[in-house]
Amino acid sequence: DAKTTQPTSMDCAEGRAANLPCNHSTISGNEYVYWYRQIHSQGPQYIIHGLKNNETNEMASLIITEDRKSSTLILPHATLRDTAVYYCIVRAPGNQFYFGTGTSLTVIP
Amino acid sequence: NAGVTQTPKFQVLKTGQSMTLQCAQDMNHNSMYWYRQDPGMGLRLIYYSASEGTTDKGEVPNGYNVSRLNKREFSLRLESAAPSQTSVYFCASSEWGRGSYNEQFFGPGTRLTVL
Repeated sequence: DAKTTQPTSMDCAEGRAANLPCNHSTISGNEYVYWYRQIHSQGPQYIIHGLKNNETNEMASLIITEDRKSSTLILPHATLRDTAVYYCIVRAPGNQFYFGTGTSLTVIP
Repeated sequence: NAGVTQTPKFQVLKTGQSMTLQCAQDMNHNSMYWYRQDPGMGLRLIYYSASEGTTDKGEVPNGYNVSRLNKREFSLRLESAAPSQTSVYFCASSEWGRGSYNEQFFGPGTRLTVL
């Protein structure tokens, strides 16, 4: 599976959009981009995933560049409860998830 | 519907002791996983079970054994605990084979300290 690169940490003001970037320049054609988050050392929680089209659900939006070498997770209106570590994972169907160190997002009141 | 449950929540062992971490899921998932997470690091896969009756090694299997007891339960055993196995252990499950979509559901974790 392709490797991902994420910033170590980010801050975001409460109520503003949080944009979390992820680079995956070696992604293959059949590999999906997944996002999970981990709050206070709880078990990771699934957020969203996509292949090449932009995706949106009740939690977030996922924007994948046309060349698929990078993506951005968008939390449209960040709240204090969104403070967490966010993991960007690239995975081919049937393969395992490999979690890196992720981005530690702090939402500031 | 409890999702994924793990027992115990906390455990302290002495070096050389053995113990089994229990995991159960009630979502009728085929696949189950054991991860460990060391302080300040991401999760690393120890073992997984793609379906009942099968188990395979993950990224860091040394020092561990697993048993897929039935479709619901997947246990992780430390035969002779070492301080290097101090970590938080997470169990997860997923419905394998549903196309490419394979969301994993995680338990709350077991915090293990080996002295």
